[in-house]
Amino acid sequence: GAGVSQSPSNKVTEKGKDVELRCDPISGHTALYWYRQSLGQGLEFLIYFQGNSAPDKSGLPSDRFSAERTGGSVSTLTIQRTQQEDSAVYLCASSRQTGGREKLFFGSGTQLSVL
Amino acid sequence: EDKVVQSPLSLVVHEGDTVTLNCSYEVTNFRSLLWYKQEKKAPTFLFMLTSSGIEKKSGRLSSILDKKELFSILNITATQTGDSAIYLCGSGNTGKLIFGQGTTLQVKP
Repeated sequence: GAGVSQSPSNKVTEKGKDVELRCDPISGHTALYWYRQSLGQGLEFLIYFQGNSAPDKSGLPSDRFSAERTGGSVSTLTIQRTQQEDSAVYLCASSRQTGGREKLFFGSGTQLSVL
Repeated sequence: EDKVVQSPLSLVVHEGDTVTLNCSYEVTNFRSLLWYKQEKKAPTFLFMLTSSGIEKKSGRLSSILDKKELFSILNITATQTGDSAIYLCGSGNTGKLIFGQGTTLQVKP
């Protein structure tokens, strides 16, 4: 695609419900990253994928958070039993590959509100 | 633990002023440092720095990296109201890229 696409753009849910956030990276990009941004804060690293593998899951805040990527393309971030502190913007980014010298292209994010 | 620290966290200036934003990093197997501008939601790429002492420039913006002292600066000259944004600094190794807290810049007319 032309850019990184995320859906939904906004999600309001009740505490305790599960949510799924979707990221469609730029076509051909093998690396995919998930970040969380709370209001007025920087980007908190969650997880990255190289292809379908996730070499580093260290940023996932708890076992309620999981992510997968299939076919080397679309990724979903799942949050189970949502809590109010999960409210944030979830940003996805992709790059041609990992290696540390590739710029990331970001999507517009999913604004998650947990009531 | 790898970390990136930005300063100041926020800054208010008037149009025409020059600003300097700071970024220090501690990253295992450092490969690059990147600057992004975030106005609404999606951060947009500004610069990637990999070598010390080589200034990158784009219009009124410039940036330089010091790999000995582990920091980078982003300079904006003759600021305009359109420069108001959050400026994000990120650093990475061969895998993940981590970001600092961001600097919120407000440029007043």
